[in-house]
Amino acid sequence: DAGVIQSPRHEVTEMGQEVTLRCKPISGHDYLFWYRQTMMRGLELLIYFNNNVPIDDSGMPEDRFSAKMPNASFSTLKIQPSEPRDSAVYFCASSPRREGPHFGNGTRLTVT
Amino acid sequence: DQQVKQNSPSLSVQEGRISILNCDYTNSMFDYFLWYKKYPAEGPTFLISISSIKDKNEDGRFTVFLNKSAKHLSLHIVPSQPGDSAVYFCAASAIGYNFNKFYFGSGTKLNVKP
Repeated sequence: DAGVIQSPRHEVTEMGQEVTLRCKPISGHDYLFWYRQTMMRGLELLIYFNNNVPIDDSGMPEDRFSAKMPNASFSTLKIQPSEPRDSAVYFCASSPRREGPHFGNGTRLTVT
Repeated sequence: DQQVKQNSPSLSVQEGRISILNCDYTNSMFDYFLWYKKYPAEGPTFLISISSIKDKNEDGRFTVFLNKSAKHLSLHIVPSQPGDSAVYFCAASAIGYNFNKFYFGSGTKLNVKP
């Protein structure tokens, strides 16, 4: 099993640009999560999906953030327009029902 | 407001000694808890779990203790090894309400000195 695969590993962009983060979950996992890690807030849950349907997006900071899961093997997190305060490490994770999340290696986003 | 708190950002211990990492939670609905370990440039990986029907769970050198009345859990590592140096996150969820929605703390960075 290849685990959760995220791309890119690093993203550097300028303020105002659109950023798209990608995730391939573990095959067979029903749940997909997007987390953000910052020094101040630790690991924050942004949004999660169950069977490709968004269940809870209460952690999405503002309308500039959007996430999609068009099929069971792919999800995106988009930030448009990006701002310097969005700089963080973004993790995608997946899990089967009634199990903790399995994390990818993250995307380090830097917005200048 | 964070529902899971790790109030110690860092901890340094000598190799061979005990490491104790602490975690507090505020939501009384939480009844399932996880600890994760994270190395630099990697994602967190699952370490050990405990449900509220127990007050202790042990796996090798790692033991998690749960004090429900105090809404507190701790992770003990005995003996500590340099390879244990990492960031440790605790996480909590409510089995009966929404098992798969885990709330994470801010992490504690453990440094085990040789």
